[in-house]
Amino acid sequence: DAKTTQPPSMDCAEGRAANLPCNHSTISGNEYVYWYRQIHSQGPQYIIHGLKNNETNEMASLIITEDRKSSTLILPHATLRDTAVYYCIVRAYSGGGADGLTFGKGTHLIIQP
Amino acid sequence: DGGITQSPKYLFRKEGQNVTLSCEQNLNHDAMYWYRQDPGQGLRLIYYSQIVNDFQKGDIAEGYSVSREKKESFPLTVTSAQKNPTAFYLCASEDIYSNQPQHFGDGTRLSIL
Repeated sequence: DAKTTQPPSMDCAEGRAANLPCNHSTISGNEYVYWYRQIHSQGPQYIIHGLKNNETNEMASLIITEDRKSSTLILPHATLRDTAVYYCIVRAYSGGGADGLTFGKGTHLIIQP
Repeated sequence: DGGITQSPKYLFRKEGQNVTLSCEQNLNHDAMYWYRQDPGQGLRLIYYSQIVNDFQKGDIAEGYSVSREKKESFPLTVTSAQKNPTAFYLCASEDIYSNQPQHFGDGTRLSIL
């Protein structure tokens, strides 16, 4: 699986949009971009994933550049409960085969009141 | 509710003892995974299983063992051969036939007395 690069930490004011970048310059054509977050002492929570089109769900939006070498996770109106470590992961669809996720250290997002 | 249940949440072990961590899922997922997380680090894959009675080593399998006798259950045994067992252990499951994300339990924190 391709490697990802994320800033170690970011701050964002409560109520503002939080934009979390991720670089994945070696991504392959069949690899998806996944985002998870982990609040302290809990299991990772799935947020969103996409292949090449931008995606939006009730939690966030995912913007993937046209060359697919980077992406941005957008939390449109950040709240204090969004303070967490956010992980960007790239992974190919296994098509019936099990495969672990490769986690880096992620970005520690701190929402300031 | 459908989900993944890990128990216990906190576990203490004396040196030289084996200890088993429980993971149960009612999502009807074929694949299950065990990860280890150390402070400030991402998750690392210990073992995974695609079907009942079959499992594969992950990146850090030494000192651990697993079984998969039932689809719903994937217990992890931390043996006395694991030299540094203190960590946060996370179980996940996945429907590998539908390109859906892995789901995680809330983890078990293991400490050595």
